[in-house]
Amino acid sequence: DQQVKQNSPSLSVQEGRISILNCDYTNSMFDYFLWYKKYPAEGPTFLISISSIKDKNEDGRFTVFLNKSAKHLSLHIVPSQPGDSAVYFCAASLWEGAQKLVFGQGTRLTINP
Amino acid sequence: DAGITQSPRHKVTETGTPVTLRCHQTENHRYMYWYRQDPGHGLRLIHYSYGVKDTDKGEVSDGYSVSRSKTEDFLLTLESATSSQTSVYFCAISASGGTGELFFGEGSRLTVL
Repeated sequence: DQQVKQNSPSLSVQEGRISILNCDYTNSMFDYFLWYKKYPAEGPTFLISISSIKDKNEDGRFTVFLNKSAKHLSLHIVPSQPGDSAVYFCAASLWEGAQKLVFGQGTRLTINP
Repeated sequence: DAGITQSPRHKVTETGTPVTLRCHQTENHRYMYWYRQDPGHGLRLIHYSYGVKDTDKGEVSDGYSVSRSKTEDFLLTLESATSSQTSVYFCAISASGGTGELFFGEGSRLTVL
């Protein structure tokens, strides 16, 4: 049973445009959410996180939105750059600082020049 | 970058043979994890450790065992490898009292023939 789902395996966006990656979760007990970015032949790296007490968190070109009632979060990248081409994983935990993360399947983002 | 080293980085073995993957950290972090990454499944937790000699199972622990005799080393053992254990294995670490953010190693690609 996949508790965290990324239903789009891939996404292609033109350079300079907005990239929107989506993530849904089924466990209403999840309270803290993270996004990781992964390049080929490298380990995932932390990108941005959000606690359930917020509905938005920004860090430069990256913004994460959380809709708890819909059990949905999204990552917005504006403007998209070629270096953003990677696989993006969303992850969830029961509270901030909880040591076990549940990951989605990942979305491969390709930024086209 | 977090000091995490995985070895070996690549391994090809035959069904039924034992395999041990090693994760070494220089950060003195309390928590260490083993994940596997497979297409369509994202990252799934195999085992994790919350201290020396303290380990617990993750969501896909069958067929795997772990040991942590020193803070810096976390070993993952496949007692008798099967083809279904062909995967990319990632070690991760996190500090206690943190936000749950994980720092990942570069991965170990295991092929079981």
